[in-house]
Amino acid sequence: NAGVTQTPKFQVLKTGQSMTLQCAQDMNHEYMSWYRQDPGMGLRLIHYSVGAGITDQGEVPNGYNVSRSTTEDFPLRLLSAAPSQTSVYFCASSYLSVITGELFFGEGSRLTVL
Amino acid sequence: SQQGEEDPQALSIQEGENATMNCSYKTSINNLQWYRQNSGRGLVHLILIRSNEREKHSGRLRVTLDTSKKSSSLLITASRAADTASYFCANAGGTSYGKLTFGQGTILTVHP
Repeated sequence: NAGVTQTPKFQVLKTGQSMTLQCAQDMNHEYMSWYRQDPGMGLRLIHYSVGAGITDQGEVPNGYNVSRSTTEDFPLRLLSAAPSQTSVYFCASSYLSVITGELFFGEGSRLTVL
Repeated sequence: SQQGEEDPQALSIQEGENATMNCSYKTSINNLQWYRQNSGRGLVHLILIRSNEREKHSGRLRVTLDTSKKSSSLLITASRAADTASYFCANAGGTSYGKLTFGQGTILTVHP
């Protein structure tokens, strides 16, 4: 049982490049989410999904795209990377919702945009 | 921003002492959760307290919730060096599925 798996763990991009951060969970969780963590800012919600085919915006969605075609996968796409998107990105999932239970986190993807 | 505040931002204590961290939030909540993050790792859930609960215990952890003051506290008793980590509170509210809004965290250092 792997839990929440994020790839890649580290990535360096140039401004304007695009990339996808992958997230997969094997716990049959309905709720999945992406956060970014910046020094002094805590974690901020980017996008979340309450089930396959359903996504919604969080606090800081600009510059990011998501889709949820399966229960297991929730990729985060950076459309045109900017230095302001340098951050640590965490994917997290919950069985039904954060109302009923806790989040399970991946180990993070550390992104640097030059 | 709907982020709450955590206090103190950093806490340094000796092994065996108790550590208390406080959290305030801005909106009505369904529950409040505490997480721990070791350096360079993902967050790990510690405890969840619902809005109709006032106190909850789990091992050496004690969490209180005061919805009238929109605040919570996390007490770690008899701290160990292995408790050194960042601690975050997060509140869940809003829609039926909810969004979890995190505070900025408290960095706890426990000296052996």
